[in-house]
Amino acid sequence: AQTVTQSQPEMSVQEAETVTLSCTYDTSESDYYLFWYKQPPSRQMILVIRQEAYKQQNATENRFSVNFQKAAKSFSLKISDSQLGDAAMYFCASLIQGAQKLVFGQGTRLTINP
Amino acid sequence: DAGVTQSPTHLIKTRGQHVTLRCSPISGHKSVSWYQQVLGQGPQFIFQYYEKEERGRGNFPDRFSARQFPNYSSELNVNALLLGDSALYLCASSFLGVQANYGYTFGSGTRLTVV
Repeated sequence: AQTVTQSQPEMSVQEAETVTLSCTYDTSESDYYLFWYKQPPSRQMILVIRQEAYKQQNATENRFSVNFQKAAKSFSLKISDSQLGDAAMYFCASLIQGAQKLVFGQGTRLTINP
Repeated sequence: DAGVTQSPTHLIKTRGQHVTLRCSPISGHKSVSWYQQVLGQGPQFIFQYYEKEERGRGNFPDRFSARQFPNYSSELNVNALLLGDSALYLCASSFLGVQANYGYTFGSGTRLTVV
């Protein structure tokens, strides 16, 4: 079975500082993808970053980067130079190659303090 | 280009009633998936449709059904509503079905409240 766990219900950070959100997952498959989604109060899930499991290099998208530790089944998100607009719920999710569904974690609420 | 559009945005229903939620995918996307997000939790997979056929079903009762139309839009139907069906229902589209490894594009959801 696929499971995704986010152990931090809430996190806060000062504007312009760096914050790391944690995520662990469990799967017996070897071909899968991992995602971080952002859900602001507008409710729309917005894709932040994706990582292919077969790639050793950590994905990066501007101020967002991941630390993908495949053996430990860990997939954390680092947000650098935090901005007020980064405040949202962040969800970690996994997708097995050939499967039809994303499996989400419980989410982490990120607050940015000015 | 328009993103994934869902209607209505909010809905209040009474227990025992049925509801139909609608979703229009991004132009060119042939796959639509439905997720239920209960307050304070992550989304849970309900259905995926690709090329008008059901390709996946989550662990939801038969009161939940869906279909996809020739223009790739989709409806989610829920019969005999229960209080526990109150949730945000999210629709997501992707160009391909089982190869949606680029991630899905989500709509803003329909907030369903059952009273």
